[in-house]
Amino acid sequence: SQTIHQWPATLVQPVGSPLSLECTVEGTSNPNLYWYRQAAGRGLQLLFYSVGIGQISSEVPQNLSASRPQDRQFILSSKKLLLSDSGFYLCAWRKGRSLPQYFGAGTRLSVL
Amino acid sequence: KQEVTQIPAALSVPEGENLVLNCSFTDSAIYNLQWFRQDPGKGLTSLLLIQSSQREQTSGRLNASLDKSSGRSTLYIAASQPGDSATYLCAVLTGGFKTIFGAGTRLFVKA
Repeated sequence: SQTIHQWPATLVQPVGSPLSLECTVEGTSNPNLYWYRQAAGRGLQLLFYSVGIGQISSEVPQNLSASRPQDRQFILSSKKLLLSDSGFYLCAWRKGRSLPQYFGAGTRLSVL
Repeated sequence: KQEVTQIPAALSVPEGENLVLNCSFTDSAIYNLQWFRQDPGKGLTSLLLIQSSQREQTSGRLNASLDKSSGRSTLYIAASQPGDSATYLCAVLTGGFKTIFGAGTRLFVKA
């Protein structure tokens, strides 16, 4: 069966520090991968999605970037964190457009 | 631009009650619609996926309907239980690969 791993679960970082969040999917190949951010009490905001290795689409111009160095690995990065980057970050995958989307457990990021 | 709205924002019901959660979307050109459950501080759990050509999907006590022409979906929960307490989100897949989420309905089922 397929599983998605996301880490770390919680992260506290100072303003101006770098960021790297990692997500990996097991049990499938060539999944569509997604990064979302969820602000407190709000819906999910799509940040990036990828349909293949090295293919990244950005939805929101911001302080973040994403990379997909391997088929089932998706990384969210920042060179210098801002206070406004705080939030709950979720990685997700789906095999195809007609199939469900599945989510990781999320990373709670606090930028102080 | 596709927008997804969920009403009500919060709902409190006694245990055993049947309830309906609503989801509306502004552009009927969707590929499918998915309902999720989110417990506090956790990721999203997929509940039901309805393709644009389908009218409804059922899983246990859950039934989701889709009326694409009117831009509406409902999630029906039968015989609610305290364990159903969570935030329920709907999401539509538009053309391409983008999924647009509603802000969710926070459900509390009282024992």
